[in-house]
Amino acid sequence: GAGVSQSPSNKVTEKGKDVELRCDPISGHTALYWYRQSLGQGLEFLIYFQGNSAPDKSGLPSDRFSAERTGGSVSTLTIQRTQQEDSAVYLCASSLAGAQPGDTQYFGPGTRLTVL
Amino acid sequence: GDSVTQMEGPVTLSEEAFLTINCTYTATGYPSLFWYVQYPGEGLQLLLKATKADDKGSNKGFEATYRKETTSFHLEKGSVQVSDSAVYFCALAAGNKLTFGGGTRVLVKP
Repeated sequence: GAGVSQSPSNKVTEKGKDVELRCDPISGHTALYWYRQSLGQGLEFLIYFQGNSAPDKSGLPSDRFSAERTGGSVSTLTIQRTQQEDSAVYLCASSLAGAQPGDTQYFGPGTRLTVL
Repeated sequence: GDSVTQMEGPVTLSEEAFLTINCTYTATGYPSLFWYVQYPGEGLQLLLKATKADDKGSNKGFEATYRKETTSFHLEKGSVQVSDSAVYFCALAAGNKLTFGGGTRVLVKP
């Protein structure tokens, strides 16, 4: 079956511009996660969606970052007024149940964001 | 808070050598433990996992045992191949997110 897909695969933007990154989770997975992978910080959790519950936004680094998940499926991560330190690979993952012991997160290929 | 520490790389080995990557963790409660692998140019893939103390996860010749007494989850493979060259990430899940170690780059030479 289809895995987690993300678009675009690469995004180059100028400092100060807004960007939107998209994630399509595996069909039937109720939980969706965003992570960021950067050279300086490694892999960091950003945000978690589970069904219709309020998202866990505890990992978002600033109020310039926001995310939504429409219809319990597709998610969009938005970064406003991008800064050079936002350059990273943004990874999306989904899982069947979320927050259950051993629940496996499946990762997409990522979006590489470069802020000039 | 939760944290994962794994040995820094790069680790360079010859084919058929024994591989160990150390991983220790700090967590409240009883986390699940994972090893993910990232092959060159590819995304993160689950390699193996363990959900409770003394569980052993295994896949593709790799093994790791959940050791609660030493808070460790070391990854081992008895005979590596060139195709095992990748970055390996140890991670724990306590609740709704994964906390990752810094990753260990492994290079296997023929």
